[in-house]
Amino acid sequence: DARVTQTPRHKVTEMGQEVTMRCQPILGHNTVFWYRQTMMQGLELLAYFRNRAPLDDSGMPKDRFSAEMPDATLATLKIQPSEPRDSAVYFCASAGGQANTEAFFGQGTRLTVV
Amino acid sequence: AQSVTQLGSHVSVSEGALVLLRCNYSSSVPPYLFWYVQYPNQGLQLLLKYTTGATLVKGINGFEAEFKKSETSFHLTKPSAHMSDAAEYFCAVSAGSGNTPLVFGKGTRLSVIA
Repeated sequence: DARVTQTPRHKVTEMGQEVTMRCQPILGHNTVFWYRQTMMQGLELLAYFRNRAPLDDSGMPKDRFSAEMPDATLATLKIQPSEPRDSAVYFCASAGGQANTEAFFGQGTRLTVV
Repeated sequence: AQSVTQLGSHVSVSEGALVLLRCNYSSSVPPYLFWYVQYPNQGLQLLLKYTTGATLVKGINGFEAEFKKSETSFHLTKPSAHMSDAAEYFCAVSAGSGNTPLVFGKGTRLSVIA
């Protein structure tokens, strides 16, 4: 059963701490997206990669957020330092492969910064 | 540039009644259109998509949507609501297929009343 796996599912941290969220895309997919969901803004694209190269990270606050793909099976999203306004659900999605008809979403990481 | 407007942040229907969730889009290129469903504390699951060809598309769980270019609309319908349809529904547009970023609407919460 191919699926996008995100860890952790939930994270509570104190303001100022570093947060790392991880995503394992579906094997064979060459594109990874990071989206953020909040009540106020809805679902927003933060960044995305194709073949591990960043294509667009204009949705990310550059001073505190960073996204990487150390290898084809792992994508990371880091926040340092975290702030209460970063509290949200962060979704990873992957796409590509032979069909390439849709993006498949992980179950998300619910981040709470206190 | 692309954008999506979903009319009605909350729709309530009786079990067995018609479900109609409205979506209008704006796109400077031929759009790819999607409807995703999100159950509580879950990721997004694709209901259906329009890429090219037939303008009436059928999806999972008895849902369908019709692409109307002249009206820039992609409304989601289901003839008879079931209690299990209660969820958040998101309309999204992209400029290409699966590995192109999605622009989401704000979502519509569907409640089904017994």
